[in-house]
Amino acid sequence: DSGVTQTPKHLITATGQRVTLRCSPRSGDLSVYWYQQSLDQGLQFLIQYYNGEERAKGNILERFSAQQFPDLHSELNLSSLELGDSALYFCASSVEGTRPLEQFFGPGTRLTVL
Amino acid sequence: QQPVQSPQAVILREGEDAVINCSSSKALYSVHWYRQKHGEAPVFLMILLKGGEQMRHEKISASFNEKKQQSSLYLTASQLSYSGTYFCGIGGTSYGKLTFGQGTILTVHP
Repeated sequence: DSGVTQTPKHLITATGQRVTLRCSPRSGDLSVYWYQQSLDQGLQFLIQYYNGEERAKGNILERFSAQQFPDLHSELNLSSLELGDSALYFCASSVEGTRPLEQFFGPGTRLTVL
Repeated sequence: QQPVQSPQAVILREGEDAVINCSSSKALYSVHWYRQKHGEAPVFLMILLKGGEQMRHEKISASFNEKKQQSSLYLTASQLSYSGTYFCGIGGTSYGKLTFGQGTILTVHP
């Protein structure tokens, strides 16, 4: 158990819908990362937050957005869902976010878009 | 730019050794190695920093060759528990995001 929690574990929804994935980092960790893992794309970095502020952005679609709240939990919002958005979404956390450090991954949320 | 891992897959018998390579077209600052078992989250193995020492984790070690822009993961006397997909991630200098390779599937048979 990494100490990072993600909810829900599974999510099944329809195309065009909007969902919210939630992540609570390890106690004391200030930085949160979101990754998308699909069979054909591997593990793709989406976005990083550090102490409430966006720190780095990857190939995140405009239909996706995220935020980190004052209590440091983070939410990833996916809207206008398409079949291709079906994937495993991981959240990871690290102590801070200004240098390369060990990242602890949560168990992931498996999103299925029908 | 995504780093390239080789080989794509390795099959071993218990006790055998393996090497997984990670190459980047960009200058490396840090290389992170993770292992992921099927249906589970990636688990951190080690970080190698530019100018740093070779790292070890149990019977797994790794090296960082700045000139070749390459890192290698060495698994010695493999155990059944080593089975999984190994990912290398390239880290930047001022942030924590990682760009992962496509993964190397390692299977260890009894």
